[in-house]
Amino acid sequence: AQSVTQLDSQVPVFEEAPVELRCNYSSSVSVYLFWYVQYPNQGLQLLLKYLSGSTLVESINGFEAEFNKSQTSFHLRKPSVHISDTAEYFCAVSAPSGGSYIPTFGRGTSLIVHP
Amino acid sequence: DAGVIQSPRHEVTEMGQEVTLRCKPISGHNSLFWYRQTMMRGLELLIYFNNNVPIDDSGMPEDRFSAKMPNASFSTLKIQPSEPRDSAVYFCASSLIVSANTGELFFGEGSRLTVL
Repeated sequence: AQSVTQLDSQVPVFEEAPVELRCNYSSSVSVYLFWYVQYPNQGLQLLLKYLSGSTLVESINGFEAEFNKSQTSFHLRKPSVHISDTAEYFCAVSAPSGGSYIPTFGRGTSLIVHP
Repeated sequence: DAGVIQSPRHEVTEMGQEVTLRCKPISGHNSLFWYRQTMMRGLELLIYFNNNVPIDDSGMPEDRFSAKMPNASFSTLKIQPSEPRDSAVYFCASSLIVSANTGELFFGEGSRLTVL
């Protein structure tokens, strides 16, 4: 079975500063990787995903994540954060199990952007 | 476009009462998932359905929990009897089976359950 570890439960940062949210996974087979974002009192929304191809994937709002197979990591980065990026971020890994790919989620990292 | 619709958004009940949470998936989606989110355990998969058929319910905590999907546009999660430790936010998510096979899900806004 696969597992996901998000190393930081909370990351405080000032507006316009860079940020990195760390995610490591374990799996004995090839995986798909995802970052979801959850704004207060809302459900999770897909932010970006890695399925295959280029190891660097980007979202429409400036986030990017890089798949590093040797380090089994999929860290999320943004060069300059905004107040509106304050949210909970979940890393997820999906691997084949019984013919289906069901995501396993990390515990989440709370990004808190201060003015 | 309508997303995944869950009701009620908030439910406060007393221990021992029956609780029913409802979900309407996105039209055309044929996979449906129920998750539970707590501070202690994070996001846990309870059960998922493909084409209205339960595929894996190994995450359902105990016999007090049951889920049904009578048709492609409706699912329920029932807790009977409810206990304070069931207090959590319950999320429903849906997907096309192909997308579910990569792990991309569409979530509702959740039902926050408080059992006193």
